[in-house]
Amino acid sequence: EIVLTQSPATLSLSPGERATLSCRASQSVGSYLAWYQQKPGQAPRLLIYGASNRATGIPARFSGSGSGTDFTLTISSLEPEDFAVYYCQQRGDWPSVTFGPGTKVDIK
Amino acid sequence: QVQLVESGGGVVRPGGSLRLSCAASGFTFSVYGMHWVRQAPGKGLEWVAVLGHDGGSEYYGDSVKGRFTISRDNSKKTLYLQLNSLRAEDTAVYFCVRDKDSGYLDYWGQGALVTVSS
Repeated sequence: EIVLTQSPATLSLSPGERATLSCRASQSVGSYLAWYQQKPGQAPRLLIYGASNRATGIPARFSGSGSGTDFTLTISSLEPEDFAVYYCQQRGDWPSVTFGPGTKVDIK
Repeated sequence: QVQLVESGGGVVRPGGSLRLSCAASGFTFSVYGMHWVRQAPGKGLEWVAVLGHDGGSEYYGDSVKGRFTISRDNSKKTLYLQLNSLRAEDTAVYFCVRDKDSGYLDYWGQGALVTVSS
């Protein structure tokens, strides 16, 4: 099973700052990685798929990069509604799917 | 618009069974694979199972294999999850999720809470 690790566990930033979230896979997943945002009491929302493709309706301040085992989600300038938990997810060994443990972005 | 509405959650004793349903609308249900993903209270996301668009291919996470069964009725636009031999560690919100493209999960329901407790 491919294991995903995310860092940092918590990221404390102010609105307007740049957020950089990391996801590392225990073995190569190619570009088969997605990112999700989850706010308290809500279902997750797909942000990025295929490592760098924004999902429908996702603002341009969200971008994804990476391939193989190392991936990054960047939020160029944090808006108040961006404070949430972010999960990475791999489908590199489809049909098995695994999620990372999450990174919480909170207000400094 | 795409809607996924789960039902059937509740409190069940260890060793018991429950069936979750997910009613889909706003898209052609029969051409999409569907997943169940769960989230224990205060914890992260755990993938549970996936079922192909025609019900022909089903796969499970290791923690539920042999106890849970995913199925669908395309005529009713409904996805199911049969949960058997339930354990305390199965306590979670269970999300019904549409598969965008072989493992990317693009639309999520609001979830159904399953609590396993004596």
